[in-house]
Amino acid sequence: QVHLVQSGAEVKKPGASVKVSCKASGYTFSRYAMQWVRQAPGQGLEWMAWIDAGNGNTRYPQKFQGRVTITWDTPANTAYMELNSLESEDTAVYYCARNLVGTTFFDYWGQGTLVTVSS
Amino acid sequence: QSALTQPASVSGSPGQSITISCTGSSSDVGAYNYVSWYQQHPGKAPKLMIYDVSNRPSGVSNRFSGSKSGNTASLTISGLQAEDEADYYCSSYTRSPTYVFGTGTKVTVL
Repeated sequence: QVHLVQSGAEVKKPGASVKVSCKASGYTFSRYAMQWVRQAPGQGLEWMAWIDAGNGNTRYPQKFQGRVTITWDTPANTAYMELNSLESEDTAVYYCARNLVGTTFFDYWGQGTLVTVSS
Repeated sequence: QSALTQPASVSGSPGQSITISCTGSSSDVGAYNYVSWYQQHPGKAPKLMIYDVSNRPSGVSNRFSGSKSGNTASLTISGLQAEDEADYYCSSYTRSPTYVFGTGTKVTVL
C-alpha cells in the first residue's frame, strides 16, 4: 500500500528556512517522481517543484527558482523540500505528491505540512 | 505561469448534473491532453478524480467525467450527491514544461 508521510508542522520567522520531509513506502521509487504543491490559507493549489526519484533530475517554476531546493534520499526513501528566505506569504500547507514518470497526474498525496511564518 | 481559470462556485441539487470549466491557453490546456482534476474536502489532501482529460482512476465513481475542447477542459458530475460537496481543482501540464493548477471551484449541494 502506498504511503506518503510528511513531517510535522513548523513555525518559522521571516528570513529563515524550512525543510519539509516526505517519506514514501509501498512502491518502486525509481519509477516515480515527487511533486511539491502548496496551499495558502483559503487559497488554491500552487505547484512548486518536481524531482525524478530515479535520476535526481529536478524542475522548478520560475517563481521558485533559487529559493526552493528539492532532494531525494534514496536509502531513506524520503523526499525533502527546503524553502529559503521565508516571508509571511509562504504560510501554507505544503504537500508532496507522486506521479509515475512519463505521466502528468498525481495519484497519491501526503497528508500535508503546515508551515507558519510569523515574527 | 498564470493559474487556470475556474468558476469560484457551482451548485446543484441532489441528482442533478453540474459542469465545472477550466480555461487556460495554447501553452497548457490546449497544448496536450494532460489535464487532471482533483477533489479536496476541507482539511484534507487533494484526491485525483480524472487524468489525461477523461480517464478515471480505479475506485472513482463513473458519475465523474471529463472532456476538453480547445483551451477549455470540463469536469461533469452527474447524479450529484451530498458527498460531492468539496473544492475541485484542474491541473495541466504545460509547454515550459511545468504544471499549473486552476483557481479552484467550490461545489455546493443544495
